[in-house]
Amino acid sequence: SQKIEQNSEALNIQEGKTATLTCNYTNYSPAYLQWYRQDPGRGPVFLLLIRENEKEKRKERLKVTFDTTLKQSLFHITASQPADSATYLCALEGGGSQGNLIFGKGTKLSVKP
Amino acid sequence: SQTIHQWPATLVQPVGSPLSLECTVEGTSNPNLYWYRQAAGRGLQLLFYSVGIGQISSEVPQNLSASRPQDRQFILSSKKLLLSDSGFYLCAWAPGRGMLYGYTFGSGTRLTVV
Repeated sequence: SQKIEQNSEALNIQEGKTATLTCNYTNYSPAYLQWYRQDPGRGPVFLLLIRENEKEKRKERLKVTFDTTLKQSLFHITASQPADSATYLCALEGGGSQGNLIFGKGTKLSVKP
Repeated sequence: SQTIHQWPATLVQPVGSPLSLECTVEGTSNPNLYWYRQAAGRGLQLLFYSVGIGQISSEVPQNLSASRPQDRQFILSSKKLLLSDSGFYLCAWAPGRGMLYGYTFGSGTRLTVV
């Protein structure tokens, strides 16, 4: 079955720097990969979706890359701000006819002023 | 616009008591609906999903059940809660082909079984 690894439980960076979060998967390459933001006590919020034939996707200060050879996605936040502090989840299809999403455990990002 | 409502926000229940969590979606029709659980220190675990009224698929065998009595209503139930059922329960919806779009999650229910 598909497994997702977000290899940093926590990441601390200084305001203004670029945060880079990693998501690795272990089995077949999914057609899509998604990133979510989750604040404490809240449900995840969808940020970006990237397709397997897209190398890179951007949205404002966010950038996602998808390398099907390495089985890895990188999530970048440029010019990070304290308001970017949250847990970021990687998600991809877990198989099955409905293509339901499975999620990584997330990386908790803390941006210090 | 589409909205998703989930209640209650918090719940403290004794072991062996029943459970009913409700989720409703507005502003869309025939959504795919999902129940996830997030236990402390663990990732989101898919419990149930539904692609239509009365159609429920279970991902994890346990003492929970789900029902979809109406197109935009999804209910999570248990006849007798266990301590291990404690966690953060999240309902989500997506358009028919969910993988093409992001999931929209509700605000969650924090369940503590005591």
